[in-house]
Amino acid sequence: RKEVEQDPGPFNVPEGATVAFNCTYSNSASQSFFWYRQDCRKEPKLLMSVYSSGNEDGRFTAQLNRASQYISLLIRDSKLSDSATYLCVVNPSGNTPLVFGKGTRLSVIA
Amino acid sequence: GAVVSQHPSWVICKSGTSVKIECRSLDFQATTMFWYRQFPKQSLMLMATSNEGSKATYEQGVEKDKFLINHASLTLSTLTVTSAHPEDSSFYICSASPTGNQPQHFGDGTRLSIL
Repeated sequence: RKEVEQDPGPFNVPEGATVAFNCTYSNSASQSFFWYRQDCRKEPKLLMSVYSSGNEDGRFTAQLNRASQYISLLIRDSKLSDSATYLCVVNPSGNTPLVFGKGTRLSVIA
Repeated sequence: GAVVSQHPSWVICKSGTSVKIECRSLDFQATTMFWYRQFPKQSLMLMATSNEGSKATYEQGVEKDKFLINHASLTLSTLTVTSAHPEDSSFYICSASPTGNQPQHFGDGTRLSIL
């Protein structure tokens, strides 16, 4: 089983749509979780951290289910500018290398 | 917020040239920095962990004599691609974090093209 798995997509959605991405991780002892966004030919940028209680930042909602080792990202009212690759990222422990999923491509279409 | 600067952002050079890439943490100290490589349409692949004041830890399959890492201060790590060849052409990115469980912040990346 891969350490971090996510659906590669692509997800092609119209503007205004709600889209959800899922991710699973294999290391049950992992300590922290993040969603990053990567635009074409650019470096990844932190979108949001993910907490067990769930957290929301504007149109973005992230949730973590430790029991199921499952992470989700919900994007409401999609904008054209949301088009990017979304990376599910897990930090196994402390200052160790992040473990990346392969990313899910999102294209928001006018 | 934490800022990581990477330089240069773009390099084009002839085969056999050595190329040095710098990664700096601008507003925090980082005892550990990470170097990644990303080929087109592929995910980020960790190359090595750079440790301030000690040797870097390389991932399996990454040649330590080809990819020299130096982390001489708490704010600077360098990656030198020695005798670069066309197959080394890639997007190289570094990351660092102020503390262990905080998110990693990435440099802008260096696009290396070897002719």
